[in-house]
Amino acid sequence: AQSVTQLDSHVSVSEGTPVLLRCNYSSSYSPSLFWYVQHPNKGLQLLLKYTSAATLVKGINGFEAEFKKSETSFHLTKPSAHMSDAAEYFCVVSDTNQGGKLIFGQGTELSVKP
Amino acid sequence: NAGVMQNPRHLVRRRGQEARLRCSPMKGHSHVYWYRQLPEEGLKFMVYLQKENIIDESGMPKERFSAEFPKEGPSILRIQQVVRGDSAAYFCASSPSQGRPNQPQHFGDGTRLSIL
Repeated sequence: AQSVTQLDSHVSVSEGTPVLLRCNYSSSYSPSLFWYVQHPNKGLQLLLKYTSAATLVKGINGFEAEFKKSETSFHLTKPSAHMSDAAEYFCVVSDTNQGGKLIFGQGTELSVKP
Repeated sequence: NAGVMQNPRHLVRRRGQEARLRCSPMKGHSHVYWYRQLPEEGLKFMVYLQKENIIDESGMPKERFSAEFPKEGPSILRIQQVVRGDSAAYFCASSPSQGRPNQPQHFGDGTRLSIL
């Protein structure tokens, strides 16, 4: 069975400092991995996707993630946080063997202090 | 290009009533997924449909919940005889194909269901 674990339920950073949101996955085959962001009372927006073409994936709004098979990790980073980055972030794996349903991590709430 | 459209955005029902949630996928998308976000439980898969077919309903509660995606019109998630525990945000997502990483699912803004 596939799963993802987000290691931090809440992360707080100051504006202008780096962001690191951690995610580990479990999969018996090559996974399809995503990061989604959810702002309050909104739907989920795709930040980036891992398609196996490159291990370093660049997404929108300056975010990127690195797929590390040896560590089964897919951590999300951003060099410099902005106030508008405050939101809930979900690491997600797609169960491609069962119709592509998404399996979500528990989420990490990112707070950005001025 | 319109995104995934869900309505209503907010729905209030009394215990025992029926709730109908609608989802229109993105243009050109024929695969629809429903997810539920319960407080303190995160997002969980409910059901996966293609036009006129339920492909995977392994995440649906056994009773009171049903889903359809007719040949014409939106996908409907129906909850009969609602109970307080059904209060949640329900999200619909669509994709043009099944489970391809280069064609990810796109989400609507959700329906917030409140049961009085």
